[in-house]
Amino acid sequence: AQRVTQPEKLLSVFKGAPVELKCNYSYSGSPELFWYVQYSRQRLQLLLRHISRESIKGFTADLNKGETSFHLKKPFAQEEDSAMYYCALSGGSNYKLTFGKGTLLTVNP
Amino acid sequence: GAVVSQHPSRVICKSGTSVKIECRSLDFQATTMFWYRQFPKQSLMLMATSNEGSKATYEQGVEKDKFLINHASLTLSTLTVTSAHPEDSSFYICSAMSTQSSYEQYFGPGTRLTVT
Repeated sequence: AQRVTQPEKLLSVFKGAPVELKCNYSYSGSPELFWYVQYSRQRLQLLLRHISRESIKGFTADLNKGETSFHLKKPFAQEEDSAMYYCALSGGSNYKLTFGKGTLLTVNP
Repeated sequence: GAVVSQHPSRVICKSGTSVKIECRSLDFQATTMFWYRQFPKQSLMLMATSNEGSKATYEQGVEKDKFLINHASLTLSTLTVTSAHPEDSSFYICSAMSTQSSYEQYFGPGTRLTVT
């Protein structure tokens, strides 16, 4: 069975501070990991996926297979980063996504 | 590009009636669409995988006779909640997978269903 754990429901930081949203996963094979973001009153959208190894809006995430983690990081948070962030896992050829419960990030001025 | 729409955005229906929710990929073809359910302040739970031209694949615990899925074309999947009850009230979200974009899923804006 595949499972995604986001231990923090809420995370609050000040503008300019570093931010790290934690994500741990459980999967027996080789997973593909994603971070999705949902801004207020908007639909869910892909932020980044581990295979692309991109930095989007200053966010990065590294897959650590030893620790089964895929934490999302940004060195300097901005107010516009305030949103709900979901970590998700896809395993196998069916492309189904398993979501974590999400972390609500608030960046204070 | 890669826009997914859902209709209606919100619907209120009486207990015992059926309601249909549409999910459309507006500018790409999607052989596979997914239907999720989201309870308040909770995560998205996959209900079923909708495949164009074939039967949907339901997740464990999801009643296929209650949540009818039809994927009749490459741009449209429908979810029909049959004989709705108040406990079916929820936020239903669809996504469409683009084979042209590394199998990325694009999400619709969701449909708020309230059963009275």
